[in-house]
Amino acid sequence: EAGVTQFPSHSVIEKGQTVTLRCDPISGHDNLYWYRRVMGKEIKFLLHFVKESKQDESGMPNNRFLAERTGGTYSTLKVQPAELEDSGVYFCASSLQENTEAFFGQGTRLTVV
Amino acid sequence: AQSVTQLGSHVSVSEGALVLLRCNYSSSVPPYLFWYVQYPNQGLQLLLKYTSAATLVKGINGFEAEFKKSETSFHLTKPSAHMSDAAEYFCAVAPYNNNDMRFGAGTRLTVKP
Repeated sequence: EAGVTQFPSHSVIEKGQTVTLRCDPISGHDNLYWYRRVMGKEIKFLLHFVKESKQDESGMPNNRFLAERTGGTYSTLKVQPAELEDSGVYFCASSLQENTEAFFGQGTRLTVV
Repeated sequence: AQSVTQLGSHVSVSEGALVLLRCNYSSSVPPYLFWYVQYPNQGLQLLLKYTSAATLVKGINGFEAEFKKSETSFHLTKPSAHMSDAAEYFCAVAPYNNNDMRFGAGTRLTVKP
């Protein structure tokens, strides 16, 4: 069975451009989470989907970030316009239930130059 | 509120030596505690987790961690390091659900031959 997959694995964009990250959760997992690790600091929660609904988006840094999960399957995280401080590794995770083990993808390394 | 402090951003041990990665937590409620490992170019993988069933938790790859409430610690240990253990390790705390999981800054383990 495939795990959580994220695309792309790396992205380098210029400041002001738009980037869209994609996460495909494990099939059947209703819960999908986005996390971010900036500059070697701790991994921080961004938001949580239950199916297609945003359960908690308290960790989203600002309105330049938009997450969607149309149809409750894969999710996208769009950054528009990107700023230098958005550089980091973006992780996606999914879980069957809210309090069961979350499985993480390999992350997308975003570099804004 | 929950938080995690990992002491030492880098730890280096010789092959065959004891591995000790330190984690202290703060939690206003009985915590769930986790150790994750990230190997190069891979996602976060759950090593072990504490959910109040037993204070000594055994995980994969010979790792274990002991929950010490009096010390608010959840240190990760392995009796004998192997070269394949070289990776980055993250301690995390959560009340019970994944979307409030708080990670430490990570500890990079290097294993010398």
